[in-house]
Order: sequence, then structure tokens, then C-alpha cells
Amino acid sequence: DAGVTQSPTHLIKTRGQQVTLRCSPKSGHDTVSWYQQALGQGPQFIFQYYEEEERQRGNFPDRFSGHQFPNYSSELNVNALLLGDSALYLCASSLDARGRLGEQFFGPGTRLTVL
Amino acid sequence: DAKTTQPNSMESNEEEPVHLPCNHSTISGTDYIHWYRQLPSQGPEYVIHGLTSNVNNRMASLAIAEDRKSSTLILHRATLRDAAVYYCILRDVFGGAGSYQLTFGKGTKLSVIP
Repeated sequence: DAGVTQSPTHLIKTRGQQVTLRCSPKSGHDTVSWYQQALGQGPQFIFQYYEEEERQRGNFPDRFSGHQFPNYSSELNVNALLLGDSALYLCASSLDARGRLGEQFFGPGTRLTVL
Repeated sequence: DAKTTQPNSMESNEEEPVHLPCNHSTISGTDYIHWYRQLPSQGPEYVIHGLTSNVNNRMASLAIAEDRKSSTLILHRATLRDAAVYYCILRDVFGGAGSYQLTFGKGTKLSVIP
């Protein structure tokens, strides 16, 4: 059983560009959350998708947007990249039926560097 | 989610027990205590969670104070593979729309000495 997978593993962009990161959830999971982790910090919640809609959003600007597909996979899009967007982007999947007690399973992340 | 306080770092010798503390003095009655850990170059992984009673699983034990204002994650025999950042997180099981997320602090960086 493949766990959460993310692509690409590394990405280098320049300021002002746009980027799309992809995530496939663990088999059987229907909910995807995205987190941003700056160097030396804990992950910060960006948003969560369930039933193809954004269910909850953290304190991130509208430049950060997402999508969930019918097969539960998800994309994170970041427009007008800033140097401060350089971070590890983590995707986590969970099963909504487990509610707030359910584990979130994390992927290995995508390392984004903005030059 | 209520705030948690953890030491920035701890050290342990290999094959000895490790007790990782977490303070959560403002915990509410419906907050569950969750622990995740993040190994180097990996995403976080779930370790254990509990409400009031002590909990055990194959990875660790969770000891919860009687007043629930603190808890301790116990690794019974630390191995080199346990070197990671450990995060203590509170989750309100009956929370509103703002409670689906995991709110991470900086966690405790555990170093295991061979």
C-alpha cells in the first residue's frame, strides 16, 4: 500500500513565477491537507480539502490556492512567488469518517526554492 | 487549539528510556493530546494520542497528568532511529470549523547518543 506521495521532490523557481505541487493520498483516504514548513519551524497549516472543496483555511494569502479531484488527489498552486515562499510543502491525508481523532498521514514533501 | 509548551531539545543515550514532557495548562475538557514526530528529511508521522488515561502502543507510551495540564511521551528504549523532532498537539474533538488542522509548535528535538 503506497502511502502519501508528492511530486516533484524538489523545485526551483524565480520570484513572480507560479508553481503547482501535486499530492496523492493514502489509499482509502478522502481528505487532503497542505502544510508549509520553513526551515527550523514546525509545519503551518495552509488549507484542507474534502469532497473537492476547501473546508478550512489557515492564515495564508489568496496567492495560495488548491484543488481536489474526484479521485481525492490534490494540487497546491502558488502564484506570484516570493522569496519567503521557499519552504518544504507537506501534504497529509486522512479519513474524514475518523473526524478529529483520525491520524493525518504525511508525504515526504516538496522542497520549493524561490530565487 | 490550546497552546503547548515543550523543551527545545533533549538528549538520550541509546537503549535508555526517554521522557519527553509537554505542558498544556489551558487544555479544555474536549482536547485530545496527540504526539507526532518528524524524522530527518521526512514528513511528520503519528505516534500516539490520548484523553485522560495513559495509553500504550507499539511505538510509545503516553502518560497524562491527573489534572491533564501536562503529559509525557515515553520511549521505552531509545534507538538511533528515534532521533527526531517530537510535537505535542492538542485537538478538540468537538471543535468547530477551525479544528480540522494540526497546529504544530517548534517541538522537541531529540538526539540519541550511540
